[in-house]
Amino acid sequence: LAKTTQPISMDSYEGQEVNITCSHNNIATNDYITWYQQFPSQGPRFIIQGYKTKVTNEVASLFIPADRKSSTLSLPRVSLSDTAVYYCLVGDNYGGATNKLIFGTGTLLAVQP
Amino acid sequence: DTAVSQTPKYLVTQMGNDKSIKCEQNLGHDTMYWYKQDSKKFLKIMFSYNNKELIINETVPNRFSPKSPDKAHLNLHINSLELGDSAVYFCASSQDIAGGSEQYFGPGTRLTVT
Repeated sequence: LAKTTQPISMDSYEGQEVNITCSHNNIATNDYITWYQQFPSQGPRFIIQGYKTKVTNEVASLFIPADRKSSTLSLPRVSLSDTAVYYCLVGDNYGGATNKLIFGTGTLLAVQP
Repeated sequence: DTAVSQTPKYLVTQMGNDKSIKCEQNLGHDTMYWYKQDSKKFLKIMFSYNNKELIINETVPNRFSPKSPDKAHLNLHINSLELGDSAVYFCASSQDIAGGSEQYFGPGTRLTVT
């Protein structure tokens, strides 16, 4: 199973770029890498997903090196409202492998004024 | 419109009781899931359900049983509740079960067993 490891917490200030790295040394060929954001008392919300190289959408970028053993979520110019827990999810739920969907331990990002 | 809804939002019950949590999605998705989030915020998948095929995480006790009356609903039944079942339970859905489908989560049900 592709176990994931993330920093427990990170601090930042408004306007800064924040990079959160997730390690997944045992990632399998079919595994995708997905990042979710969770606010208190809410369910996780999809941020971005990738398989390799770089992916960018309107809220974040995801950098995946060639060996795919890690990934970095990049949040440009964070604001106070970006304070949340960020989860890295690695897995492939295709073909009945759902129990191989492994969420990381989550990184609590605290953005200060 | 709420994409994935769960009821109840809070559930307090005593050990040994049987309870159910309901989940509904109006996204037309084919796959639904149940997750458990413990006090340390670890998110663990319990089940996925796709086209009447149930995929069980082998670590889930058989006191937990999902029931799907139709594609839009996946309810979670828990028998003989234990203190360790206290957690937040999230329902989620995705378009299909193909690799990496984006999941949409419900608001969660906080279960407290006393």
